[in-house]
Amino acid sequence: GAGVSQSPRYKVAKRGQDVALRCDPISGHVSLFWYQQALGQGPEFLTYFQNEAQLDKSGLPSDRFFAERPEGSVSTLKIQRTQQEDSAVYLCASSLAKSGSSSGELFFGEGSRLTVL
Amino acid sequence: QQPVQSPQAVILREGEDAVINCSSSKALYSVHWYRQKHGEAPVFLMILLKGGEQKGHDKISASFNEKKQQSSLYLTASQLSYSGTYFCGTGGYQKVTFGTGTKLQVIP
Repeated sequence: GAGVSQSPRYKVAKRGQDVALRCDPISGHVSLFWYQQALGQGPEFLTYFQNEAQLDKSGLPSDRFFAERPEGSVSTLKIQRTQQEDSAVYLCASSLAKSGSSSGELFFGEGSRLTVL
Repeated sequence: QQPVQSPQAVILREGEDAVINCSSSKALYSVHWYRQKHGEAPVFLMILLKGGEQKGHDKISASFNEKKQQSSLYLTASQLSYSGTYFCGTGGYQKVTFGTGTKLQVIP
């Protein structure tokens, strides 16, 4: 596809359930990012991959959050034992830029809206 | 620390101009600007690197004053399509810290 694709677009989970959110970046984009966006707020950084290497996971809020990108393309964000405070839109972004670049445009997907009941 | 944007919200009539400000408590080396329409993905507008240059994107331009740790986004002759929430972002592309956001609504 032409843009970043995320699925599912909407997910409702009961508290305590595990969820998996998928991101399909733009073909050829080396860098991939996950952001969390609460209602009415700006996106907050979660984690960053360059190819299959997770170079920064400092934004993951707890050890219940786990992200992977095993073959350097598609990525999955997994949240275990979901809590109500996990309710948010999870945005994936990709970029052509790689380490050593001074700047890089992020291409965002439309996000996966997670609601935890 | 999250950059602070002002104003929080603004309503414009088509054709009017607006300025959105972004201030950081930390030293700035680059500033990113994105626009997000309701329910949609944030879309890149521009990035300004250290040096104070002003960049433009259609009738939207921005300035960057690293001494004052501030950036401003200028929207001239606003169009209905400019409506949305504008976010500035600081830091390298590897980890952008987005600002508090400015909701802009352009009305006919």
